[in-house]
Amino acid sequence: DADVTQTPRNRITKTGKRIMLECSQTKGHDRMYWYRQDPGLGLRLIYYSFDVKDINKGEISDGYSVSRQAQAKFSLSLESAIPNQTALYFCATSDFRRSTDTQYFGPGTRLTVL
Amino acid sequence: GENVEQHPSTLSVQEGDSAVIKCTYSDSASNYFPWYKQELGKRPQLIIDIRSNVGEKKDQRIAVTLNKTAKHFSLHITETQPEDSAVYFCAASKNGNQFYFGTGTSLTVIP
Repeated sequence: DADVTQTPRNRITKTGKRIMLECSQTKGHDRMYWYRQDPGLGLRLIYYSFDVKDINKGEISDGYSVSRQAQAKFSLSLESAIPNQTALYFCATSDFRRSTDTQYFGPGTRLTVL
Repeated sequence: GENVEQHPSTLSVQEGDSAVIKCTYSDSASNYFPWYKQELGKRPQLIIDIRSNVGEKKDQRIAVTLNKTAKHFSLHITETQPEDSAVYFCAASKNGNQFYFGTGTSLTVIP
């Protein structure tokens, strides 16, 4: 779904570095989410936002922070990356105002922390 | 919080046979249950969903059933085809707020 984009698509970094993953959407959706995917663990919610002034922690928020700069943009930051944050990260959006809970995922960012 | 368990973790079927994947959830307040298909290297994509006021929903070869009393829901794929091979995830949510995902089922359809 080209309406939800993520940058970068791949990133290799070193322990202790600060990393920012960005998500943009042109769907006009109000809700945005960040997930990480690990083999055998499925998708786990890191943070979610229902509008620009609303930020909520998910299951596994420790070591991460987010910023909702605009309705269309939601960034995920790793302040000091560690190897166990190596994972595939997905952004997702949904449109609560239209009474639909369907989530649309971005293409993912593969992050490797050495 | 919610806990979603998914079984089996791997499933192999012959082309043309049916496949069934089952999920259980713990929070009786959950009322939205989507199923996602993720092909290798791709993003998860919604294939079917069901709300708690409905017991069954069908879309061509795919169906989902929900048993609110037992707190479980299942994905049924009939007449499987090789292109159905993928990882399937179930999820549960209350009012589209937090989504809790199962750990996934890797389905292989053998031609």
